[in-house]
Amino acid sequence: SQKIEQNSEALNIQEGKTATLTCNYTNYSPAYLQWYRQDPGRGPVFLLLIRENEKEKRKERLKVTFDTTLKQSLFHITASQPADSATYLCALVRNTDKLIFGTGTRLQVFP
Amino acid sequence: DTAVSQTPKYLVTQMGNDKSIKCEQNLGHDTMYWYKQDSKKFLKIMFSYNNKELIINETVPNRFSPKSPDKAHLNLHINSLELGDSAVYFCASSQGDRAAFFGQGTRLTVV
Repeated sequence: SQKIEQNSEALNIQEGKTATLTCNYTNYSPAYLQWYRQDPGRGPVFLLLIRENEKEKRKERLKVTFDTTLKQSLFHITASQPADSATYLCALVRNTDKLIFGTGTRLQVFP
Repeated sequence: DTAVSQTPKYLVTQMGNDKSIKCEQNLGHDTMYWYKQDSKKFLKIMFSYNNKELIINETVPNRFSPKSPDKAHLNLHINSLELGDSAVYFCASSQGDRAAFFGQGTRLTVV
């Protein structure tokens, strides 16, 4: 069966450091992958999208990589800030009508 | 204007009751979804509607039924509510491979 796993339940880092979150998948061939941020009591908010033929995407302090051979995506937040503390979700799409989410990683950035 | 709005935000009801959650999107998107987020924060897809046609129906009990009167609305009806139905339900919409936009969520508590 399809599985999408994200690293650890919580990631704690110090302000200013780079946070790296992992998304691994099995039994799946996504056409593209998305990353979302979710704050407590709110719905997920879209951050970035990367297609299967793209290796890397950047947006301000965010960077996403996509390795279809390793079946893995890495999500980096550089110069992290306490305001970056949230749960981050990866989502895979094969067909445009089916968006499947990973288990999520909670990031805590300490001052 | 809220892009995806769902009501109510909170719903407390007794076992065995029938309830509905409404969702509306003003983005002109073709695809709408219902997700269930359990206590472990895992976001599980329940239904997806594309142009008013049900295109996926994950393994959810048939007590749950989506109803789409038009492209902008996707309501969720739940019959004979059970304790295990307690969760946060999110409505979302998307267009093609672009970002999905989520509603604020409906916290359902069955007592």
